[in-house]
Amino acid sequence: GDSVTQMEGPVTLSEEAFLTINCTYTATGYPSLFWYVQYPGEGLQLLLKATKADDKGSNKGFEATYRKETTSFHLEKGSVQVSDSAVYFCALSQDQGGKLIFGQGTELSVKP
Amino acid sequence: GAVVSQHPSWVICKSGTSVKIECRSLDFQATTMFWYRQFPKQSLMLMATSNEGSKATYEQGVEKDKFLINHASLTLSTLTVTSAHPEDSSFYICSAHPGAGNSPLHFGNGTRLTVT
Repeated sequence: GDSVTQMEGPVTLSEEAFLTINCTYTATGYPSLFWYVQYPGEGLQLLLKATKADDKGSNKGFEATYRKETTSFHLEKGSVQVSDSAVYFCALSQDQGGKLIFGQGTELSVKP
Repeated sequence: GAVVSQHPSWVICKSGTSVKIECRSLDFQATTMFWYRQFPKQSLMLMATSNEGSKATYEQGVEKDKFLINHASLTLSTLTVTSAHPEDSSFYICSAHPGAGNSPLHFGNGTRLTVT
């Protein structure tokens, strides 16, 4: 079945460092891909998404490109802030965001 | 923006009792809601899909008699953990889909269940 694999955390960075969180997927067809963020004690919030190959999703300085050839959707940000500390989940959906399959999550900790 | 309210945010109960968790869509109608379970430091595992007016669809390995789901209206789904045991302690999260094309899924803030 479909699955999502993320790089293991925790990832610890200094403020203003460059961030990459790797995400690869296994799926039939052409799923939609998502990044969700979970701040401490809160539910998940949609960070960005891409619905077809070569699409780039972006939000709040984060971006990820849907790469069909490498089945990847890596999350990047050029300069992280302390407020970006959270757990990031990569996910896919075969029905445009209804039923989601999540990766295991990557905890990001940004130090001042 | 769209909001999903989940209640309670945390609950402690004794082994053998039942606990009900509510998930409400506050400003949109949700024909479909999803219930997830999240273990510490792990991902969200889909438990079931809740459909308004019909029976829930459970994922493989999830006991439907233990995790009762009711979706009585377009804005409310409930998850009842029956005869709870310590191994049911977890973080339960609901999400709701407006159902319109590319509309995003909206998540509740989760319920921390501790069974003693």
